[in-house]
Amino acid sequence: QSVLTQPPSVSAAPGQKVTISCSGSGSNIENYYVSWYQQLPGAAPTRLIYENNKRPAGIPDRFSGSKSGTSATLDITGLQTGDEADYYCGTWDDSLSGFYAFGTGTKVTVL
Amino acid sequence: QVQLVESGGGLVKPGGSLRLSCAASGFRFSDYYMGWIRQAPGKGLEWISYISSGARTIYYADSVKGRFTISRDNAKNSLYLQMNSLAAEDTAIYYCARATDYCRTTTCYVDYFDFWGQGTLVTVSS
Repeated sequence: QSVLTQPPSVSAAPGQKVTISCSGSGSNIENYYVSWYQQLPGAAPTRLIYENNKRPAGIPDRFSGSKSGTSATLDITGLQTGDEADYYCGTWDDSLSGFYAFGTGTKVTVL
Repeated sequence: QVQLVESGGGLVKPGGSLRLSCAASGFRFSDYYMGWIRQAPGKGLEWISYISSGARTIYYADSVKGRFTISRDNAKNSLYLQMNSLAAEDTAIYYCARATDYCRTTTCYVDYFDFWGQGTLVTVSS
């Protein structure tokens, strides 16, 4: 049972935009940086966004992240077939003895 | 370039033990926090442990606390996960990942995992 909730799936046509939400609480998202990870089919996860809205080198600006209060959002614009993947948010949670939490994951489908 | 290569996975009986290794290259291993994340078949990511650069700080997920032990050998650029009392629910792909930490006053936390290995499959079954 994750403390970060994401929609199980989102979909859109090529070229369109999808938004993935990540809902948390005051013990995680509200007080800590959020990162986003992309997991292509059959592959290991890779970092997509870090510290709420920063992109590593090589990640196109079609991917953007934001955070407000206890929620974070990943936007993917100009959707491409290669974007079909699972996406996870992640952040530190200071409840209990502290742990790193991943979101429940969202499957992005390009129609 | 950064490379992380896990090994040691396999089939083990319930109650058994296994030791995973992660060989790191392409960066100064001793400068970084490192972590283990697993993914059960068809399921999401589950963080299970991390260790600070000097091994002074270690955290475990409640699901593995008391059964799993994370360690590192900075001289060998290697990360380890000793897994004991394995159960069927421990069946998963286990990923090693490099972590970047950030600190507030005297306490440091995992900020994000920036490089991941390809994973090693652990299957617990009789």
